[in-house]
Parts: sequence; structure tokens; C-alpha cells
Amino acid sequence: DARVTQTPRHKVTEMGQEVTMRCQPILGHNTVFWYRQTMMQGLELLAYFRNRAPLDDSGMPKDRFSAEMPDATLATLKIQPSEPRDSAVYFCASGLVAPGTGGNEQFFGPGTRLTVL
Amino acid sequence: AQSVAQPEDQVNVAEGNPLTVKCTYSVSGNPYLFWYVQYPNRGLQFLLKYITGDNLVKGSYGFEAEFNKSQTSFHLKKPSALVSDSALYFCAVRDPYGNNRLAFGKGNQVVVIP
Repeated sequence: DARVTQTPRHKVTEMGQEVTMRCQPILGHNTVFWYRQTMMQGLELLAYFRNRAPLDDSGMPKDRFSAEMPDATLATLKIQPSEPRDSAVYFCASGLVAPGTGGNEQFFGPGTRLTVL
Repeated sequence: AQSVAQPEDQVNVAEGNPLTVKCTYSVSGNPYLFWYVQYPNRGLQFLLKYITGDNLVKGSYGFEAEFNKSQTSFHLKKPSALVSDSALYFCAVRDPYGNNRLAFGKGNQVVVIP
């Protein structure tokens, strides 16, 4: 049963510390998305990769957030330094985009619940 | 840019009654529309999608949605709600002429009352 995996599931850290969240997309998928979910803002798209290349990271605070795909099986989202306002649930999703198809759904991971004290 | 609106914050329905969660969209060109469900402490789960063809789309767990181009709506429906349907429901739209990102609505909390 193919699924997106994320680690860690929970992270509690202190303000100023670096946080790294990892995601393993579904094998064969060529798009990866990072989302942040909070009660106030709902679901926000932070970054989007296609074939490991960043296509859109306009939703991400550039001064402290960075997203990378070192290889096709790993996507990372890093916050340095972390702040209390970064407390949220961070979701990774993956999907398959192929020529002639634009309607393939995204598959979401279980999320990383981040608490910054 | 594409967008969706989910006008209600919470939908309360008695178990066994029909359930409707409303969604309207805004996009240039023909839209690709999706519904997702999120159970507590879980990621979003795909329910169904409309790409083309029949306006009535059937999905998982007995849900269906009707695409209405003239009203720019894509309401989610279930004929008989279960307590286990209590969850957060998201409508999303993808612009087929742009990139492949999804624009999500704010979500609707559905509460099915036993």
C-alpha cells in the first residue's frame, strides 16, 4: 500500500533552534508539495517541486525556511531559526503529472506537528 | 488565479439525513475540481474529482459531487450521513492552463449527530 511518509510525526523545540522535516513521496510520483495547516490560516502551500526542481516557493518565508529534494525519494523542509509562530502541522503531498493529464490527485502524508516554545 | 469558496464554517446533520457541503469556484477556463476529507490528526484524503464528462461524480465512502458550470459550484453530497463522516472537508481547484498547484478552500467541519 503506497503512501507518503513523514518524519518526525511530532516535534517540540525551542525558539531559535533548527527544525528539519522529512518526507518520502510515493515511488514514481514526480511532484511534491509542502503545506502548512493552522487554525487561523487554514491550509497554505509553502513549496512545490516537479522532477525535484523547485517550481513555486512563493508561499514560504525565504529568510528562515528552505525546501529541497536531495533525491527522488526524499524531500526536506527546514526552518532556521524557528519561531513560535511557526507552530503548525506541516504536510507533504506527492502526485504524478504526465503529459496530457492535469487532473491527478495529490496524496498527503500524515503530517509533522511542530510546536516551537 | 483560481480559488474556491466554502461558505459555511460548520455543517451539522443528523445521522441518516442527507449531507451537503457547498463549494463554489473561480477559474479561467475549464476547472479540475477535487474534494478531500481530513479526519482528526490525519492527513488529507482524496475523495473524488471532476475533470470532464458526467457532471455527477461518485467517490469514496458513498460520497458524490455535482459539477454545475453555470453556477460555478461543485457541492459534495451523501444521501445518508454516518457518525463516522464527521470530519473536515476541503474543496480544491486546479487551473488546467497554469501550473499544477491546488487552491484549497478553508474547509468545512461536518458534525453528524447520532
